[in-house]
Amino acid sequence: KNEVEQSPQNLTAQEGEFITINCSYSVGISALHWLQQHPGGGIVSLFMLSSGKKKHGRLIATINIQEKHSSLHITASHPRDSAVYICAVRNTGNQFYFGTGTSLTVIP
Amino acid sequence: DGGITQSPKYLFRKEGQNVTLSCEQNLNHDAMYWYRQDPGQGLRLIYYSQIVNDFQKGDIAEGYSVSREKKESFPLTVTSAQKNPTAFYLCASSLSGPYNEQFFGPGTRLTVL
Repeated sequence: KNEVEQSPQNLTAQEGEFITINCSYSVGISALHWLQQHPGGGIVSLFMLSSGKKKHGRLIATINIQEKHSSLHITASHPRDSAVYICAVRNTGNQFYFGTGTSLTVIP
Repeated sequence: DGGITQSPKYLFRKEGQNVTLSCEQNLNHDAMYWYRQDPGQGLRLIYYSQIVNDFQKGDIAEGYSVSREKKESFPLTVTSAQKNPTAFYLCASSLSGPYNEQFFGPGTRLTVL
């Protein structure tokens, strides 16, 4: 069993739709990260969360520590949001565990 | 510009040859990491280093070796002992401490023929 589970694995949306990607984890964590991987392979960090909620532009990330669950929301989705979104957690021993990613395609 | 670089972007090698992947960062980060990414799987940790001249094995270290002689550099050697080396390799770095994000390099796609 993976320490980090994401859903859905694949997601197709129409431009403008509200999108939610979910992440559940099974280890004790110091922080949770949401990453974006573009088709060329490069990865950028979107958010780092240890509690509550963060917002950056059209992206919102939330975390519920008690339920060991996080969500990434994209409002007013756009084709340029098409990418793989990866949830990662850093455990209390400073190791990172990664989900398998959610492949998002936004259709114009 | 500060960042983390990997070279080359694409690498082809014959089976049985060792190959070294480069990773350099000028972010003054203490910690550096090597990950392997295969289709349908999450990133898996190969090796990590929290400080110069020290490194630890990750989950899939067999068939790989690393060195950390300088803070800026963390090269990964894929040896002939690695049974299935064809994959996408990502290097990352971060400040020490639990509340620091990782910065990733652009990756090297290794194909062993």
